[in-house]
Amino acid sequence: EPEVTQTPSHQVTQMGQEVILRCVPISNHLYFYWYRQILGQKVEFLVSFYNNEISEKSEIFDDQFSVERPDGSNFTLKIRSTKLEDSAMYFCASRADRGGGEQFFGPGTRLTVL
Amino acid sequence: AQSVSQHNHHVILSEAASLELGCNYSYGGTVNLFWYVQYPGQHLQLLLKYFSGDPLVKGIKGFEAEFIKSKFSFNLRKPSVQWSDTAEYFCAVNGISGNTGKLIFGQGTTLQVKP
Repeated sequence: EPEVTQTPSHQVTQMGQEVILRCVPISNHLYFYWYRQILGQKVEFLVSFYNNEISEKSEIFDDQFSVERPDGSNFTLKIRSTKLEDSAMYFCASRADRGGGEQFFGPGTRLTVL
Repeated sequence: AQSVSQHNHHVILSEAASLELGCNYSYGGTVNLFWYVQYPGQHLQLLLKYFSGDPLVKGIKGFEAEFIKSKFSFNLRKPSVQWSDTAEYFCAVNGISGNTGKLIFGQGTTLQVKP
């Protein structure tokens, strides 16, 4: 069964450093998402991506964040200058169709900012 | 504002007990509704979803949920839980029209089933 994969599973970085979180969505999917979950809090939407551009972003997704799909396979989330409060679990998801279809989630990357 | 509220943060049950997890949402428009489950060490998986039609939907592993539009609720039920149902459960919604499909999640309910 096809699945969304994410690497690395755990990333530890120093405050102020750049990190890139990688995701490989399911191959025929068209809509891509990043969510995050700070420990003990709810899963929060960060950004959605369709047709090679951001279709929606939350207020969390400020100028420190960027996404791209560099090669038609990977979908990356970059945080330019990490802050302590960026420590969280980051989930990638993908969806095949328009409207409200099911999103398939990856296993997540745990980001720890020291 | 769009929001989802799950009533129970931590539920402890014995095997064979019945389960009901509450979920209410606030959203200005027609919605799709989902329950996701996250087993320990695993990723979020879809349990069931409601798009339209029969408000009582059945999902995997014997779970079901009922959409009550007048109450803005989508409660999850299972008649008899098993130890393997120990997991975190998330209710989520997204809007149908003019929406990118982003999911708005509740805060999650941790279910612990004692053998």
